[in-house]
Amino acid sequence: KQEVTQIPAALSVPEGENLVLNCSFTDSAIYNLQWFRQDPGKGLTSLLLIQSSQREQTSGRLNASLDKSSGRSTLYIAASQPGDSATYLCAVGGGGNTPLVFGKGTRLSVIA
Amino acid sequence: DTEVTQTPKHLVMGMTNKKSLKCEQHMGHRAMYWYKQKAKKPPELMFVYSYEKLSINESVPSRFSPECPNSSLLNLHLHALQPEDSALYLCASTLTVPGSSGEQFFGPGTRLTVL
Repeated sequence: KQEVTQIPAALSVPEGENLVLNCSFTDSAIYNLQWFRQDPGKGLTSLLLIQSSQREQTSGRLNASLDKSSGRSTLYIAASQPGDSATYLCAVGGGGNTPLVFGKGTRLSVIA
Repeated sequence: DTEVTQTPKHLVMGMTNKKSLKCEQHMGHRAMYWYKQKAKKPPELMFVYSYEKLSINESVPSRFSPECPNSSLLNLHLHALQPEDSALYLCASTLTVPGSSGEQFFGPGTRLTVL
């Protein structure tokens, strides 16, 4: 059974810092991996999708990498801003109609 | 149109009420999902529909009854809920064509409060 772990559970950084969020999964036979952002009381906003054949994806200040063989993904946020404060969720997909398996998330606070 | 819509945004109901949540997408996705999310927890899968047929039911109590009347619409019928069922209910969909990215698109959710 696939299990997804996110470290750290919470992170507080001063504005302007670069930071890395970590995600690990137990079964390397994945189809894709998605990173989401969730603001308190709101739904999920998709940030980046990495397919199993890809190594990384970039969108603006965000860069996500995938090392399928070691069961790891990282989300790199450059020059953090207070508006980046949210919970970041990593989810692994098995392809077809299989549901996503989510990590418990990292709660990020960026202090001005 | 690349979005999943959910109605209502907020719902307050008593334990004897019957209500329904609605989810709609027009992206041609043939897999649709209901997830339940409690505060400060990740989403938990409830149901999966594939080509309008229920394919996964994660041992959800019968007071939750899903329905997929067509390829664009997914409903969740609620009856005799308990206060602990209060949560954010998320709908998602994905394209299941071989070679597609498999990205799941999520709706904004329905915030349900059971009194």
